[in-house]
Amino acid sequence: GDSVTQMEGPVTLSEEAFLTINCTYTATGYPSLFWYVQYPGEGLQLLLKATKADDKGSNKGFEATYRKETTSFHLEKGSVQVSDSAVYFCALTSASKIIFGSGTRLSIRP
Amino acid sequence: NAGVTQTPKFRILKIGQSMTLQCAQDMNHNYMYWYRQDPGMGLKLIYYSVGAGITDKGEVPNGYNVSRSTTEDFPLRLELAAPSQTSVYFCASSYEGSLGANTEAFFGQGTRLTVV
Repeated sequence: GDSVTQMEGPVTLSEEAFLTINCTYTATGYPSLFWYVQYPGEGLQLLLKATKADDKGSNKGFEATYRKETTSFHLEKGSVQVSDSAVYFCALTSASKIIFGSGTRLSIRP
Repeated sequence: NAGVTQTPKFRILKIGQSMTLQCAQDMNHNYMYWYRQDPGMGLKLIYYSVGAGITDKGEVPNGYNVSRSTTEDFPLRLELAAPSQTSVYFCASSYEGSLGANTEAFFGQGTRLTVV
């Protein structure tokens, strides 16, 4: 079945460092792809999305490009802040369901 | 606009007790979902619904039941609570996009359940 694989954490970076969190997917159709963020004690909230190949989603300085040829949707940010510390989930739509990766915990040191 | 509302926020159950986790959305979304998130883990789909009167199992449905009598409400029922059901439960909803695929999900704040 359809699935999402993302890099394991935790990931610890210094403030202003460059961030990449890898995400690859397996899908039989043409899914939409998402990144969600979960701050401590809260539910998940949408960070960005892309609905077709070569689309780039962006929000709050984060970007991800839908790469059909490599079945990837890697999350990037050029300069992270302490406030970016959270758990990040890659996800895809599969028929009537939304399938999530296992999450990557990101911690940013001041 | 309240979005997705879950109640209660916290609950402690004894083994064998039953309870219902409530979930309501006011966005007229046709799709609704229940996930559980164990400590340090990702989300696992318990049940989902594509519309009123229609429900289907996710990857971890055992020990749970759901109903969808209205578009707005999607309660999750635990009949005989077990320690393995200690988790944080999230309800979510989404709507069907223009190509028939569902779009992004909106999440509730979660219910933290402990079974002792």
